[in-house]
Amino acid sequence: GESVGLHLPTLSVQEGDNSIINCAYSNSASDYFIWYKQESGKGPQFIIDIRSNMDKRQGQRVTVLLNKTVKHLSLQIAATQPGDSAVYFCAENMGSGSARQLTFGSGTQLTVLP
Amino acid sequence: KAGVTQTPRYLIKTRGQQVTLSCSPISGHRSVSWYQQTPGQGLQFLFEYFSETQRNKGNFPGRFSGRQFSNSRSEMNVSTLELGDSALYLCASSQGSAETQYFGPGTRLLVL
Repeated sequence: GESVGLHLPTLSVQEGDNSIINCAYSNSASDYFIWYKQESGKGPQFIIDIRSNMDKRQGQRVTVLLNKTVKHLSLQIAATQPGDSAVYFCAENMGSGSARQLTFGSGTQLTVLP
Repeated sequence: KAGVTQTPRYLIKTRGQQVTLSCSPISGHRSVSWYQQTPGQGLQFLFEYFSETQRNKGNFPGRFSGRQFSNSRSEMNVSTLELGDSALYLCASSQGSAETQYFGPGTRLLVL
């Protein structure tokens, strides 16, 4: 039968501008969150993570914000570059003990315009 | 440290055949997880192995199985392949299940 592809949210930004990618997570008990970047033909690449006892964490050109009240996560990329063009996934680590697993969002396609 | 490696990178099979994919985790990582990625379903968790034991399993039929060896290398097997099994199969390793997972490049499987 016909398969329906996921409709990825898209974000286009001018080179040099800041990008903000948003993610809503599902489980209020999730205590660990990760952002991944996936370029075409490659596996997801770790960008930055944050635990639930924090609301902000900064890396090199990236910042992750966590709002547990509304179960929202965002990734901010400063001075976006052409090499930042990719699909960005948020993932939440849920479960307890040995039953923990990562659950991924559907992803956001970021396109950097020259 | 070397990253996660997966072999083969590309594979073409026909319906009804079986396939075995291999994953070598980052040195020192004892947890290996497998995911299926398709345009229609996104990234879906298959299973996780830790110290040679399957610790967690996603919602996939029994045709999908795996194992882990004493050196933490892992294999996954898909029997009686169906057209819908065409996907990118990703392996990720971590030190533990609550830790960051690092992904390999994936094996792209095409079932004809």
